[in-house]
Amino acid sequence: AQTVTQSQPEMSVQEAETVTLSCTYDTSESDYYLFWYKQPPSRQMILVIRQEAYKQQNATENRFSVNFQKAAKSFSLKISDSQLGDAAMYFCAYKDGGSNYKLTFGKGTLLTVNP
Amino acid sequence: NAGVTQTPKFRVLKTGQSMTLLCAQDMNHEYMYWYRQDPGMGLRLIHYSVGEGTTAKGEVPDGYNVSRLKKQNFLLGLESAAPSQTSVYFCASSSTVGRPQHFGDGTRLSIL
Repeated sequence: AQTVTQSQPEMSVQEAETVTLSCTYDTSESDYYLFWYKQPPSRQMILVIRQEAYKQQNATENRFSVNFQKAAKSFSLKISDSQLGDAAMYFCAYKDGGSNYKLTFGKGTLLTVNP
Repeated sequence: NAGVTQTPKFRVLKTGQSMTLLCAQDMNHEYMYWYRQDPGMGLRLIHYSVGEGTTAKGEVPDGYNVSRLKKQNFLLGLESAAPSQTSVYFCASSSTVGRPQHFGDGTRLSIL
């Protein structure tokens, strides 16, 4: 069974600084998708970024980028120029590329942004 | 621009009571999902549907039933609520298997 591990229960960063959140996963599949979701105190689950395993290029979305290391099964999220609004719980998630519809989540990393 | 709408947002039940959570999406998505979120556990899949009239079990289906009579709606039922089902429930939908799932705002359910 696939597993997703977020080894940092909590992280903090100074406003305008850069922070990296770690995620590792375990799978025997070669085709899969990886996601980072943000959950602010409002409880919404907001998609931050998505990566297809067959793409070697790391995905980027404005201040958010990933470091996807397929061989190491690592999928870290880098937040540049951190803003107060980035404070949230961040979840890493994995999904097979086939007909398995299950989205497997890590336990989350709580990010605090200090002014 | 509603997206995925869950009702109700909060509910308190007594042990043994039944209730239904409603999820509605207006994006014409084929796939719909129900998750529960517990402290320190992340989100876990309860049931899902790959189209109107279909349902399937996820990771933690016991104690729940679902129905997808209309493409836009996915109902989650608790026949006899138990305190262990106290949780935040999220509904999500996606257009295809590989596309990101869009989430509703969640339902906080407390069972006393």
